Amino acid sequence: AQKVTQAQTEISVVEKEDVTLDCVYETRDTTYYLFWYKQPPSGELVFLIRRNSFDEQNEISGRYSWNFQKSTSSFNFTITASQVVDSAVYFCALRTQTSYDKVIFGPGTSLSVIP
Amino acid sequence: ETGVTQTPRHLVMGMTNKKSLKCEQHLGHNAMYWYKQSAKKPLELMFVYNFKEQTENNSVPSRFSPECPNSSHLFLHLHTLQPEDSALYLCASSQVLDSVNSPLHFGNGTRLTVT
Repeated sequence: AQKVTQAQTEISVVEKEDVTLDCVYETRDTTYYLFWYKQPPSGELVFLIRRNSFDEQNEISGRYSWNFQKSTSSFNFTITASQVVDSAVYFCALRTQTSYDKVIFGPGTSLSVIP
Repeated sequence: ETGVTQTPRHLVMGMTNKKSLKCEQHLGHNAMYWYKQSAKKPLELMFVYNFKEQTENNSVPSRFSPECPNSSHLFLHLHTLQPEDSALYLCASSQVLDSVNSPLHFGNGTRLTVT
């Protein structure tokens, strides 16, 4: 079975704090991609980052960074120096080689950045 | 033109009405999707079309009827809906070739209220 879990339902931080959003996934496929999406109040899900199952190198892109660990099946996402505009619901998603038609989304984490 | 456009943005309909949701993508993608997002629930995949052919029907009730006349357009025809069908309906597109790493691109969604 394929599944994505985001244990944090809601997070509140004060502006300029760093915040990490957790994601744990399940799949038996060896080839897969993991994604993070952001859904602001306007409703549109915006693609942020992706990582493939063969590349565990962690990266930083601007204020975003991610930590992919296959050993723990985790794909955590960190926002550095958070801003009010980062307030949104964040979704982790999984897409596998054998079921590429089905992108599995986690339940989402609602992030509130307080000025 | 934005990448994926959905109309209308908001729709209120009675249970006996018939209406259609429209989605258009300008990204040259060849796969299109309908997702349902209800309050307090994960994103639910409803339908998938690859190259205009339906490849996934995720046990969706027959009161929802998709139509994909070409790779750029996707419709969701609605009839005799129930109040529990009230939700945000999101359309997305992606590439099928090189598919595993291809992120979904979403529209703004149609907020549907069934009275």
